[in-house]
Amino acid sequence: AQKITQTQPGMFVQEKEAVTLDCTYDTSDQSYGLFWYKQPSSGEMIFLIYQGSYDEQNATEGRYSLNFQKARKSANLVISASQLGDSAMYFCAMRDMNTGNQFYFGTGTSLTVIP
Amino acid sequence: EAGVAQSPRYKIIEKRQSVAFWCNPISGHATLYWYQQILGQGPKLLIQFQNNGVVDDSQLPKDRFSAERLKGVDSTLKIQPAKLEDSAVYLCASSLRLHSSTDTQYFGPGTRLTVL
Repeated sequence: AQKITQTQPGMFVQEKEAVTLDCTYDTSDQSYGLFWYKQPSSGEMIFLIYQGSYDEQNATEGRYSLNFQKARKSANLVISASQLGDSAMYFCAMRDMNTGNQFYFGTGTSLTVIP
Repeated sequence: EAGVAQSPRYKIIEKRQSVAFWCNPISGHATLYWYQQILGQGPKLLIQFQNNGVVDDSQLPKDRFSAERLKGVDSTLKIQPAKLEDSAVYLCASSLRLHSSTDTQYFGPGTRLTVL
C-alpha cells in the first residue's frame, strides 16, 4: 500500500496567489514525521517544512505552512504569495518508527507559477 | 555549515560499464542514505547507513550495486555493470541520527546518470 499519496500531478497558480498541494499518508504508528521537499529543475531536494505527529499546531516556515489534519491523515502544503521561483516539483514524505525511520516519498506535484 | 556534497554531478556511460558516485554528508551526521530517482518519480531508498554500518539495503540490487561507508563519513555507491534502466538521478542524503521520526534528511545536489 502507498504510504504517501499525492493526487495532483500538476498544478498551476497565478503569481502572488496562494496554492495548496495535497498529501495524504498511511501509517499505524503514533509517532511519525511529515516533510515537504522542493525539487527545482536543477535536481536538488530542498527541505521546506516539517510536522511532527504530536505537534498540536500547524507548522509554518515563512511563506510555507502545513495544514495538518491528523484524523484525516492529510498534510497539505500551503504556499502563500507564490513567486516565479516556486515553480518546481514538490514531494511529501513521511518517516515513522514502524519502518525503521525510512523515508517514504510521494510521486510529487509539479507546480507552475504563471506571471 | 556545508551541505551534502556529491560528485560527479553528471555522468554518461555505456551499458555494461562501471560507474561510482561519491557523497560527503553534513559534518556530524551519523546517518547517510542513497536514493535512486527515476524521471517522473519520487526518490526510492537504495541503502541506509548508520555510521559505517548498513541499516537497510533491502531495495539495493545487490547483483550490480554496492555501497560502502568505511570510516563512517563519506560514502561511495557503485554500479557494475550498468544497465539502461539505471539511468536516473542518484541522491545522497544525511541526517543527524537514526532513531528519531523527527529527524530531517538533507540532500545533496545529486548525480544524473545516463546509460546509453
